[in-house]
Amino acid sequence: DAEITQSPRHKITETGRQVTLACHQTWNHNNMFWYRQDLGHGLRLIHYSYGVQDTNKGEVSDGYSVSRSNTEDLPLTLESAASSQTSVYFCASSAGRSGGGYTFGSGTRLTVV
Amino acid sequence: AQSVTQPDIHITVSEGASLELRCNYSYGATPYLFWYVQSPGQGLQLLLKYFSGDTLVQGIKGFEAEFKRSQSSFNLRKPSVHWSDAAEYFCAVGAFSGGYNKLIFGAGTRLAVHP
Repeated sequence: DAEITQSPRHKITETGRQVTLACHQTWNHNNMFWYRQDLGHGLRLIHYSYGVQDTNKGEVSDGYSVSRSNTEDLPLTLESAASSQTSVYFCASSAGRSGGGYTFGSGTRLTVV
Repeated sequence: AQSVTQPDIHITVSEGASLELRCNYSYGATPYLFWYVQSPGQGLQLLLKYFSGDTLVQGIKGFEAEFKRSQSSFNLRKPSVHWSDAAEYFCAVGAFSGGYNKLIFGAGTRLAVHP
């Protein structure tokens, strides 16, 4: 069955370190998204991609970067982790242009100490 | 700018009681609207969506939602809540950008169910 997987599920890192969160989908979806979830804020869009070599900034992109070298993967990199980036991160994918429902991964809980 | 407001942060209902979760959106054109559910420690699962047509939409797990353009609302309802419905619920609006769609989420409503 097709799926979207995130790794790791949990990570603890130190302030200032570079961290990469993986997202891999086998749906063959063109569109991929990274959100962070914080209490009281719901899900906020970090970066998104509508296809290979395409990346776009979301509403909370400062301190994050992504690259899209193939259809399946959209890794999220925190260039220099900060305590404010402690959060739960969700990756999602969707097909086509209608926004017809996203498929979400199970999330990565990141703690920056 | 597009936005979604879920006025209720927490709601508690008794098992078997009816449920209505409120959602108001701000969007210039006809919106694409969604409700997602998140169980503890899990990702988000799509409950239902509205694109066009009948304003009363049926979803999974016995949920339904009604689109009311005049009120800019898309409230989620269930006639009889089960203990397993305890979760966090997110309303979202699809926002067009350059011909593509991305979702903007509300802050969520956490539902607790008393036995």
